[in-house]
Amino acid sequence: QKEVEQNSGPLSVPEGAIASLNCTYSDRVSQSFFWYRQYSGKSPELIMSIYSNGDKEDGRFTAQLNKASQYVSLLIRDSQPSDSATYLCAAQGYSTLTFGKGTMLLVSP
Amino acid sequence: DGGITQSPKYLFRKEGQNVTLSCEQNLNHDAMYWYRQDPGQGLRLIYYSQIVNDFQKGDIAEGYSVSREKKESFPLTVTSAQKNPTAFYLCASARDREFDEQFFGPGTRLTVL
Repeated sequence: QKEVEQNSGPLSVPEGAIASLNCTYSDRVSQSFFWYRQYSGKSPELIMSIYSNGDKEDGRFTAQLNKASQYVSLLIRDSQPSDSATYLCAAQGYSTLTFGKGTMLLVSP
Repeated sequence: DGGITQSPKYLFRKEGQNVTLSCEQNLNHDAMYWYRQDPGQGLRLIYYSQIVNDFQKGDIAEGYSVSREKKESFPLTVTSAQKNPTAFYLCASARDREFDEQFFGPGTRLTVL
């Protein structure tokens, strides 16, 4: 059974801080990994994709992948109240994605 | 305007009725997916299709049916056999099936009365 594990949270950070979201996956053959942001009552929105070991930066977001440890993380710098949402981690299998249950992030002003 | 549309946004169904949820995309994507999301749960895959006239069961296909007669369209029917259909239903598409990003429609919230 392929699994993607995330801490459900909530993770609470003050405005301007760095939020660190973590994810582990069980399927060693997974090659591609994705982070989605989901606001309450809305559909998930893709914010980062990462395919190789190391860091990938896009604006305030940095995704980190360590395939040896089967670990993916998302860092959000200068967190804003508008970043308050649930963040879903997903790992690509043969033809489908396996999603974690998500981590709720709360950014307080 | 490229994207994925789902309709209706809200749907109410009486027990014993079949209902069909619409999903359309104009992104020229080959692959399309249906997920179900329950409160506090992750996304669970119902069905997916990688090419017209072909589709595969996901993890929770029982009580659901789909068709893929056109590349742009992937409707989902929730049948009366689905024991607990109240959920948020999400359609997604991807350029192709391998290592590619999935993009989601706005979702349909189904409530069984």
